[in-house]
Amino acid sequence: QSVLTQSPSVSGAPGQRVTISCTGSSSNIGAFYDVHWYQQLPGTAPKLLIYANSNRPSGVPDRFSGSKSDTSASLAITGLQAEDEADYYCQSYDTSLSGWVFGGGTKLTVL
Amino acid sequence: EVQLLESGGGLVQPGGSLRLSCAASGFTFSSYGMSWVRQAPGKALEWVSHISGSGGSTYNEDSVKGRFIISRDNSKNTLHLQINSLRADDTAVYYCAKDQSRFCSGGSCYFHDWGQGTLVTVSS
Repeated sequence: QSVLTQSPSVSGAPGQRVTISCTGSSSNIGAFYDVHWYQQLPGTAPKLLIYANSNRPSGVPDRFSGSKSDTSASLAITGLQAEDEADYYCQSYDTSLSGWVFGGGTKLTVL
Repeated sequence: EVQLLESGGGLVQPGGSLRLSCAASGFTFSSYGMSWVRQAPGKALEWVSHISGSGGSTYNEDSVKGRFIISRDNSKNTLHLQINSLRADDTAVYYCAKDQSRFCSGGSCYFHDWGQGTLVTVSS
């Protein structure tokens, strides 16, 4: 069971907007640690998608955006494309565990 | 361009040991903290171990403490993970990952670059 909670799956049609939530606690997201998001395309290694809650590395389309509030965070994807179909993971740091923690992952299906 | 190339995975019997390696290039290896992150088949990502750039500080996830040892050879730009007393639930793809900055520490660090992973299978 992951320390950060994500919905197992989400789906949307091409062009639509979807959001993926990540819920933590007072020992991680609520303790002012940043949330980062990773995209894992089928059969590949994870790739950094959003860092420090809402920042995009160079090369990541602005269709991807992130936000954080209290003990949770969200990833929004607008203008869904077929190539967005992947697993998405949130990640933070937990002060009680003294380690880095991930969400359970959300599988995005583009209908 | 940052490149991280893992090796050393394979099939091992329960109770056995393996040494994973991650060859790094494209950056000043000794300046960056590094981590191992694993992913069991069909499961989520799980952070396992982290080591500072100098190698002087290491951190391990509770379930691997006493069994996994992270180390690095900065003269060879290589990261290692010695995994002992292997159990079936250690079966996973093991990724090495690089911190985003030379200046991050602890919870301010995150995984900026990833290798392609090496598969460890624990089975009799």
